Amino acid sequence: GAGVSQSPSNKVTEKGKDVELRCDPISGHTALYWYRQSLGQGLEFLIYFQGNSAPDKSGLPSDRFSAERTGGSVSTLTIQRTQQEDSAVYLCASSLAGQGETQYFGPGTRLLVL
Amino acid sequence: AQSVTQPDIHITVSEGASLELRCNYSYGATPYLFWYVQSPGQGLQLLLKYFSGDTLVQGIKGFEAEFKRSQSSFNLRKPSVHWSDAAEYFCAVVLSGTYKYIFGTGTRLKVLA
Repeated sequence: GAGVSQSPSNKVTEKGKDVELRCDPISGHTALYWYRQSLGQGLEFLIYFQGNSAPDKSGLPSDRFSAERTGGSVSTLTIQRTQQEDSAVYLCASSLAGQGETQYFGPGTRLLVL
Repeated sequence: AQSVTQPDIHITVSEGASLELRCNYSYGATPYLFWYVQSPGQGLQLLLKYFSGDTLVQGIKGFEAEFKRSQSSFNLRKPSVHWSDAAEYFCAVVLSGTYKYIFGTGTRLKVLA
């Protein structure tokens, strides 16, 4: 079956513009995660969804960042008024319900803010 | 503060040599522990994970890791490295009862022919 897909694979935007990043999880996976990977850094947890609910939004770096998930499937991460420090690879992962279930990662969206 | 430390940013080994990548965590309780690998141009892939029980965990691609509670460590090992193992390796933890995964900053492995 298909793995986790993310779109776009690359995004170049100008400072101050809004961007939307999309994640299609593996079918049947109720848990979905967003991470940010900056150059030379590890993965930074952003948000976790169980179904359409996000019980933990503590990782979102600022109120410019938001995420939603609809139909227990596709998720969108939105960054408003992008800043240069938002440049990073944004990774999505999905898993079956249950703590510690294996996360399957997508290929990521590489965002460059000029 | 809760943290995961991978002390080695880069490691270079010769093909066929043994490998050990270090991971230390700082938590009050024993978390769930994971090792992931990120190969060039590919997404992260789970190598192995530890929840409880036997402290020596076997994973894919011939990797194993040992949990040592006294040292708060979860080091990754492989007896004989292959050139295809060249990649970046991440240690990660999640506390029981939470879903917030904390990743280390990664160790980039280079394999010499």
